[in-house]
Amino acid sequence: AQSVTQPDIHITVSEGASLELRCNYSYGATPYLFWYVQSPGQGLQLLLKYFSGDTLVQGIKGFEAEFKRSQSSFNLRKPSVHWSDAAEYFCAVGAVVGYSTLTFGKGTMLLVSP
Amino acid sequence: DAEITQSPRHKITETGRQVTLACHQTWNHNNMFWYRQDLGHGLRLIHYSYGVQDTNKGEVSDGYSVSRSNTEDLPLTLESAASSQTSVYFCASSESISGSSTDTQYFGPGTRLTVL
Repeated sequence: AQSVTQPDIHITVSEGASLELRCNYSYGATPYLFWYVQSPGQGLQLLLKYFSGDTLVQGIKGFEAEFKRSQSSFNLRKPSVHWSDAAEYFCAVGAVVGYSTLTFGKGTMLLVSP
Repeated sequence: DAEITQSPRHKITETGRQVTLACHQTWNHNNMFWYRQDLGHGLRLIHYSYGVQDTNKGEVSDGYSVSRSNTEDLPLTLESAASSQTSVYFCASSESISGSSTDTQYFGPGTRLTVL
């Protein structure tokens, strides 16, 4: 069965500093990978997704993620964090064609300090 | 604008009562999903549907049921609410006929349910 691990429960980053959120997945074949963001009291919004092709994926709000098959990772990055980026971030893996379900990691809460 | 809505946004109920949470989407999406979100667990899939009259169990389906009588709605019913079902519930939808995970899931704002 597929699974997702987000090793960091909380991360604090200074405003303007770079950010990297870690995500490791377990899946038997090439997975479909997603990053979602959840602001307080809100639903989840898709930041970016990877299906195939270029392993560096660009998303909304200046985020990018890199798929590394050898490390089973899909880490999310942003070069300069803004206070409005404070939120909870979820990595998810989807099964290949035939299913539409997602398996989510437990999330990483990003705190941004002034 | 097309959207996905959930009602109520907040609900307090008592143990043993039947509760139904509504989910309505206006995108005409084939696929709809229910998740629960709990601290330390992230989001876990409860039930999902690929179309009218189709329903499937997810990871944590015990104590929950769904029915899909039209494209727009997927109500979630807790047959006999338990304190362990206190959680935030999210509905999502995606567009796909083949059921591919490449489709983006769009989430509703959530329903906070408290079972006393």
